[in-house]
Amino acid sequence: KAGVTQTPRYLIKTRGQQVTLSCSPISGHRSVSWYQQTPGQGLQFLFEYFSETQRNKGNFPGRFSGRQFSNSRSEMNVSTLELGDSALYLCASSSPGQASTDTQYFGPGTRLTVL
Amino acid sequence: GQNIDQPTEMTATEGAIVQINCTYQTSGFNGLFWYQQHAGEAPTFLSYNVLDGLEEKGRFSSFLSRSKGYSYLLLKELQMKDSASYLCAVRGFTDKLIFGTGTRLQVFP
Repeated sequence: KAGVTQTPRYLIKTRGQQVTLSCSPISGHRSVSWYQQTPGQGLQFLFEYFSETQRNKGNFPGRFSGRQFSNSRSEMNVSTLELGDSALYLCASSSPGQASTDTQYFGPGTRLTVL
Repeated sequence: GQNIDQPTEMTATEGAIVQINCTYQTSGFNGLFWYQQHAGEAPTFLSYNVLDGLEEKGRFSSFLSRSKGYSYLLLKELQMKDSASYLCAVRGFTDKLIFGTGTRLQVFP
């Protein structure tokens, strides 16, 4: 079974621009979560989508948004980029079922650098 | 508030045993996960505890005490490839997964 895939793997943008990141979950997984990872803060939860609906949201500004498609693929968008948005963005998918027991499997991440 | 604490760094010798502790204070508890993350790579799942006690999986074991808000990951017969960051994560009642900042383990020959 193929793992979680994320595109692009690396991205360089300038302040004020916007960016869209893509995540394809493991086949059969319907839940997709997004995280931001920085050296100082560790892994911070952005949001989770399940069956095209946002099920949970972290404490990030409205510039961070996401969506999920009917095939469970997900995208996240960051508008008006700031230098502090430079980070590794990780996507994780989990299987359907009781959400509290589902294990999340991570993709390789997208390394975003904002100049 | 929600808080997960782990030591920032640990060192150990090849062949030894190391215990990485994690304490947590969260809004509810629906399970605790341990992940391993090598530099530049994605986190990979190691273990899951939801009931008190020890879960053993090969060289790795994880322990949970819900009353104490405490878990540890035990790594036996350390190998050089075990040098990585180890992330403790707790799922609360909202089902959000809250991660600690991770423990960077360096294994020396």
